Amino acid sequence: AAGVIQSPRHLIKEKRETATLKCYPIPRHDTVYWYQQGPGQDPQFLISFYEKMQSDKGSIPDRFSAQQFSDYHSELNMSSLELGDSALYFCASSAGRSTNEKLFFGSGTQLSVL
Amino acid sequence: RKEVEQDPGPFNVPEGATVAFNCTYSNSASQSFFWYRQDCRKEPKLLMSVYSSGNEDGRFTAQLNRASQYISLLIRDSKLSDSATYLCVVNRRGRGGNKLTFGTGTQLKVEL
Repeated sequence: AAGVIQSPRHLIKEKRETATLKCYPIPRHDTVYWYQQGPGQDPQFLISFYEKMQSDKGSIPDRFSAQQFSDYHSELNMSSLELGDSALYFCASSAGRSTNEKLFFGSGTQLSVL
Repeated sequence: RKEVEQDPGPFNVPEGATVAFNCTYSNSASQSFFWYRQDCRKEPKLLMSVYSSGNEDGRFTAQLNRASQYISLLIRDSKLSDSATYLCVVNRRGRGGNKLTFGTGTQLKVEL
């Protein structure tokens, strides 16, 4: 079965550069979530989209922006990168807005800022 | 205080042992609850949902106590392959849809 696809798997950037992470949800999933997980930390919610509209916002820095496109894929844009942005970035998708809706995660993008 | 708290462990147990993890949450408006499993530097994977009546899936049993705001996970007959970090996840539905909050995770190491 198709899973959540994230690209790239690994990304190395320097301080003050920009990065774009991509997420392709499971087919027919209309909700996308972005999480950031630092070393030894739990996943921190950044932002979510439902039907191409931002549905919730967490601890996403102003330097970051995201959107969901008409084909439901999502992109996380990160500018003025800082060393502290080095983390594993997960995208997850779900098929609706029921409170019991289960999230399925992609394999993540490991971002290293040097 | 974090919204979802777990003992980080590690819990080192011999193969075949029974081990239990607890998780407490602070927001009484939380509506649904899950246990996820995460292997090192891999994505979290859903282990099981947690229902008020308690539920079992093979060697895994989950319990929810809404009055005391805690969730538990019991693993019987531990296998080496159970070694992972177990994340307690609490869902609260708001105007923006579902808002899942993760606990810091409990690390389990099953040894020979």
